[in-house]
Amino acid sequence: EDQVTQSPEALRLQEGESSSLNCSYTVSGLRGLFWYRQDPGKGPEFLFTLYSAGEEKEKERLKATLTKKESFLHITAPKPEDSATYLCAVQAMNYGGSQGNLIFGKGTKLSVKP
Amino acid sequence: ETGVTQTPRHLVMGMTNKKSLKCEQHLGHNAMYWYKQSAKKPLELMFVYSLEERVENNSVPSRFSPECPNSSHLFLHLHTLQPEDSALYLCASSQDGGRAGETQYFGPGTRLLVL
Repeated sequence: EDQVTQSPEALRLQEGESSSLNCSYTVSGLRGLFWYRQDPGKGPEFLFTLYSAGEEKEKERLKATLTKKESFLHITAPKPEDSATYLCAVQAMNYGGSQGNLIFGKGTKLSVKP
Repeated sequence: ETGVTQTPRHLVMGMTNKKSLKCEQHLGHNAMYWYKQSAKKPLELMFVYSLEERVENNSVPSRFSPECPNSSHLFLHLHTLQPEDSALYLCASSQDGGRAGETQYFGPGTRLLVL
């Protein structure tokens, strides 16, 4: 069964304290791994798509990496405005249904204190 | 308006009411999705439409009825809901609905409370 697990569930950081969020996945075949940011009361905002092991993408203080079993979202010198829930999702080879479907993890709630 | 919009943003309804959620995308996409987001649970895919045809229904109860009149609009008709249906309902769209690595763009959601 295709599955996505994110850890930790919650993470508290001081401003400037770098850290990483983890997304572990088991899928029959990976077509893409997605990171989203979600602020309270809002819809998820797209951050990155990764397609194959070894791939990396960066945006401001965020860097996403991918291996064959997991992805990391590295946050360098975070600021309070980086506080949000970060969601990971995978798009799997699903021969039984729509191949566009995303399987989401429960998310990591990040709080950055000044 | 840009991106994906949803109305209403908040909705309170009794178990015997009938209401509808509306989603509109301004991105020129061909696929639209309904998701349910409950506390402490991952986003759950409910329905997928590609070129206005339903391509997937993830075993959703019949009290939820989707409608996609064209590629820009998506509705979710609600009737005789249960309190456990209270959640954030998210609409999303993507270019085609089946290509590898295709990004889904989400609306702000409708916060639904069933009393």
